[in-house]
Amino acid sequence: AQKITQTQPGMFVQEKEAVTLDCTYDTSDPSYGLFWYKQPSSGEMIFLIYQGSYDQQNATEGRYSLNFQKARKSANLVISASQLGDSAMYFCAMREPNQAGTALIFGKGTTLSVSS
Amino acid sequence: DSGVTQTPKHLITATGQRVTLRCSPRSGDLSVYWYQQSLDQGLQFLIQYYNGEERAKGNILERFSAQQFPDLHSELNLSSLELGDSALYFCASSAGDSYSNQPQHFGDGTRLSIL
Repeated sequence: AQKITQTQPGMFVQEKEAVTLDCTYDTSDPSYGLFWYKQPSSGEMIFLIYQGSYDQQNATEGRYSLNFQKARKSANLVISASQLGDSAMYFCAMREPNQAGTALIFGKGTTLSVSS
Repeated sequence: DSGVTQTPKHLITATGQRVTLRCSPRSGDLSVYWYQQSLDQGLQFLIQYYNGEERAKGNILERFSAQQFPDLHSELNLSSLELGDSALYFCASSAGDSYSNQPQHFGDGTRLSIL
């Protein structure tokens, strides 16, 4: 079964608008971490934001925020005031630290296109 | 700049050959992870080292091997290369081991093309 599901293959938004990228996850471990990464067309992977399963507040980093709904097992990324430079592939990933030796499990990604 | 350095950036070789990809983690990071990104498989974890010791294995083929040296840099060796090994190979590093929720910082990747 897929651990990380990103159901939106592509999203389109205009500059200055907000956009939400969906991510649902599956784990039975009470302790886990959720991450979002951005991959521009140049290929590098850029860490954006992190949410721990025990964090009481939703994570925010500048224009990025994470809408964490634990009961629904969702961790959607919200990008406010989109910019042309936000056009990229976005990956949601999970880490289950109580599982010995696990690394990041990635979703298939969502391509975001921002137009002027 | 993530602080993780991968060399080379591009590698073109033929089937049956062997290549070595190199990674220098961020200063102070003890964990190194290798990932493979391909169109059909997406991003997949290959192997992790922590402070010189192998910590975890993912979907790594027997033809592939890795090691982490005392100075903490790591190498991924790919042998008997096949066309399907063409992919973007990422190295990532983090300060902690697998029990930490610290983010992993990725290098720019090595794009491997098998002809």
